[in-house]
Amino acid sequence: EDQVTQSPEALRLQEGESSSLNCSYTVSGLRGLFWYRQDPGKGPEFLFTLYSAGEEKEKERLKATLTKKESFLHITAPKPEDSATYLCAAEPSGGYNKLIFGAGTRLAVHP
Amino acid sequence: DGGITQSPKYLFRKEGQNVTLSCEQNLNHDAMYWYRQDPGQGLRLIYYSQIVNDFQKGDIAEGYSVSREKKESFPLTVTSAQKNPTAFYLCASRGGRGISGYTFGSGTRLTVV
Repeated sequence: EDQVTQSPEALRLQEGESSSLNCSYTVSGLRGLFWYRQDPGKGPEFLFTLYSAGEEKEKERLKATLTKKESFLHITAPKPEDSATYLCAAEPSGGYNKLIFGAGTRLAVHP
Repeated sequence: DGGITQSPKYLFRKEGQNVTLSCEQNLNHDAMYWYRQDPGQGLRLIYYSQIVNDFQKGDIAEGYSVSREKKESFPLTVTSAQKNPTAFYLCASRGGRGISGYTFGSGTRLTVV
């Protein structure tokens, strides 16, 4: 069964304290791995797409990496405005355009 | 600006009542999706549509119905058969090469009163 698991469920950081969020996936042939940011009461906002193991993408303080079984979202020197829920989703090769989502990691960055 | 519009933002349903959530997109995307989000759970797929006049059940379709009469519109009806409808509902679309996955609407929060 296709599955995506994110850890930790919640993470509290001090401003400037770097850390990583984990996304483990088990899918039948990965077509793409997606990261989204979701603020409370809003829809998810696209961050990155990764397609193959070894690929990396960066945007401001965020960097996403991909291996054959996991993806990591590294947050360098976070600021309070980075507080949000980060969602990971995997698209199986036979998924007919359907994404499988993890439950998310709730990140809180305190000044 | 192109995007997806969901309405209403908040919706209250009485027991035994059917309600319809609206989703409209002007992105010219072929595929549209409805997801349900509950605290501590991942987004769960309710229904999806790849083209006009065609749609398929997702993982939790029981108690829900949809239509796709126009490319731009994909309304979701939550029927009285759905016993636990209180949740945050997200509509999404995907088109072109789909390199960014889905584009999401801002969501509708449905509460049973």
